[in-house]
Amino acid sequence: ETGVTQTPRHLVMGMTNKKSLKCEQHLGHNAMYWYKQSAKKPLELMFVYNFKEQTENNSVPSRFSPECPNSSHLFLHLHTLQPEDSALYLCASSQDRGGGLSFFGQGTRLTVV
Amino acid sequence: TQLLEQSPQFLSIQEGENLTVYCNSSSVFSSLQWYRQEPGEGPVLLVTVVTGGEVKKLKRLTFQFGDARKDSSLHITAAQPGDTGLYLCAGAPNFGNEKLTFGTGTRLTIIP
Repeated sequence: ETGVTQTPRHLVMGMTNKKSLKCEQHLGHNAMYWYKQSAKKPLELMFVYNFKEQTENNSVPSRFSPECPNSSHLFLHLHTLQPEDSALYLCASSQDRGGGLSFFGQGTRLTVV
Repeated sequence: TQLLEQSPQFLSIQEGENLTVYCNSSSVFSSLQWYRQEPGEGPVLLVTVVTGGEVKKLKRLTFQFGDARKDSSLHITAAQPGDTGLYLCAGAPNFGNEKLTFGTGTRLTIIP
């Protein structure tokens, strides 16, 4: 248990569906992140939020839409995804955005059919 | 762009053997973290090293940060099946920039 919880753990969705991934942390951290992990590729940073404000968007397609209503919660809204978007989506948090210790959730295994 | 190369990419050894995996970069990092990730789970932080030349031990695992803070190694003594997993190194940039740079990973399998 790392203190970062992601739901759902598994998700299968069609290309026309709309779904959301949820991440919650109870560590009192100020920064939260979305990463994408695909087979045979390093972890790819998607979005960074610091004190609820988005500070980075790594050229992520608009079919991925993040939302951070407060410092403890982070969402990733998904719509009209492609099969190549199938991957493990990981949420992480750290005390601040200065490259400190990052704690990861267990991930959501997403399959787009 | 800062890159971290890990080697070997895959390693499969017998239980009880020793092993070392490497994490190398041409960039300097203010700190470096090692994670272990099991299938279907998120990475779990093992250790952080922050001082050039620093050595940290975690039971049978020994982590070393290079003197120039550009590389690191992880040595496992008497490997156990529970050590099986994907080992990731991640570097925190020297100044500014909040992103962690993750390595390419070493997938370790310990055969009973």
